[in-house]
Amino acid sequence: DTAVSQTPKYLVTQMGNDKSIKCEQNLGHDTMYWYKQDSKKFLKIMFSYNNKELIINETVPNRFSPKSPDKAHLNLHINSLELGDSAVYFCASSQVSGGITFGSGTRLTVV
Amino acid sequence: GENVEQHPSTLSVQEGDSAVIKCTYSDSASNYFPWYKQELGKRPQLIIDIRSNVGEKKDQRIAVTLNKTAKHFSLHITETQPEDSAVYFCAASINTGNQFYFGTGTSLTVIP
Repeated sequence: DTAVSQTPKYLVTQMGNDKSIKCEQNLGHDTMYWYKQDSKKFLKIMFSYNNKELIINETVPNRFSPKSPDKAHLNLHINSLELGDSAVYFCASSQVSGGITFGSGTRLTVV
Repeated sequence: GENVEQHPSTLSVQEGDSAVIKCTYSDSASNYFPWYKQELGKRPQLIIDIRSNVGEKKDQRIAVTLNKTAKHFSLHITETQPEDSAVYFCAASINTGNQFYFGTGTSLTVIP
């Protein structure tokens, strides 16, 4: 069983489109995250949700909106995609006093 | 917020030699320091972690040291093997908030 699963694995889309990435964790963790990894491999926190409440938003453009229907899901919706949004997006989750468990990543390519 | 710096950005070692990656952090409230290994095209995976009440932790060929006074922590890999080649990330976390701040990564290449 995959602990943190995200779909799709690959996403190729045109500029201006709207897309969503889904994430689910079956670990019972309280906090879920979205990270963006750019071509330089930097891992940048985008959002984190703790018990369905947003607790971090690191100046991400408002074209990005996280949606958490319940504790086990944190989806990422992106409006009006731009070339600079091309990256690998990782969903992750954690529990208090533990490390982060990452999903397998979604490689987004905007053309 | 927390600022984590990681050095070096790239590291090449001969197989069998040791590799050391160093990180510094800025927030004295950070008390949990995990290390992640990311192989090409894969997700980052936790390989070892250390908490602020411990100065050193070892797991087979990898070890982590922590100097809370200087706000330094380091990853040591001994007897390196080609399969150790990957990008390694350090991170610092304030447990109560579950906020994780990552270093900029070190690309390690082990030359056979």
